[in-house]
Amino acid sequence: DQQVKQNSPSLSVQEGRISILNCDYTNSMFDYFLWYKKYPAEGPTFLISISSIKDKNEDGRFTVFLNKSAKHLSLHIVPSQPGDSAVYFCAAGESQGGSEKLVFGKGTKLTVNP
Amino acid sequence: DSGVTQTPKHLITATGQRVTLRCSPRSGDLSVYWYQQSLDQGLQFLIQYYNGEERAKGNILERFSAQQFPDLHSELNLSSLELGDSALYFCASSVVDSYNEQFFGPGTRLTVL
Repeated sequence: DQQVKQNSPSLSVQEGRISILNCDYTNSMFDYFLWYKKYPAEGPTFLISISSIKDKNEDGRFTVFLNKSAKHLSLHIVPSQPGDSAVYFCAAGESQGGSEKLVFGKGTKLTVNP
Repeated sequence: DSGVTQTPKHLITATGQRVTLRCSPRSGDLSVYWYQQSLDQGLQFLIQYYNGEERAKGNILERFSAQQFPDLHSELNLSSLELGDSALYFCASSVVDSYNEQFFGPGTRLTVL
């Protein structure tokens, strides 16, 4: 049973436009969420996170939105750049779960075309 | 560079064999996590150690085991290997009680023939 779902395996956008990556979760105990970016032959690198007490967190070109009632979060990248081309993973965790383990989605491959 | 190191980068072995993957966490991080990424799958949590003690277990097979040593490095042992164990194995580390980012190593690609 997938607790974190990224339903779009791939997304292609033009340079300068907005990229929107989506993620849904089923476990209502998740209270913190992270986005990771992964280039080929490298490990995932942390991008941005959000706690369930917020509905938005912004860091430069990256903004994450959380809709708790819909159990949905999204990552917006504005403007998109060719260097943003990578696989993006959504991850979730439970602060009261006794462990800091993360549950990951399967990833969305973003391609930003020049 | 995340500061997390993993060796070896690549490992090719045969079914039925046993291998050991090694991870050195970032300086000062007490928690180490192991994740498996199979083809077209997200990262699956295997196990977490905190300061030498097992803290949480995920979908880790009985053929797999791990430990964290006093110097905080960790090893993941995979035995009686099967074709389906071919995957990328990532180690991550984090500070104490960090409900934020984990820092990932570059991974070990295991191929079982």
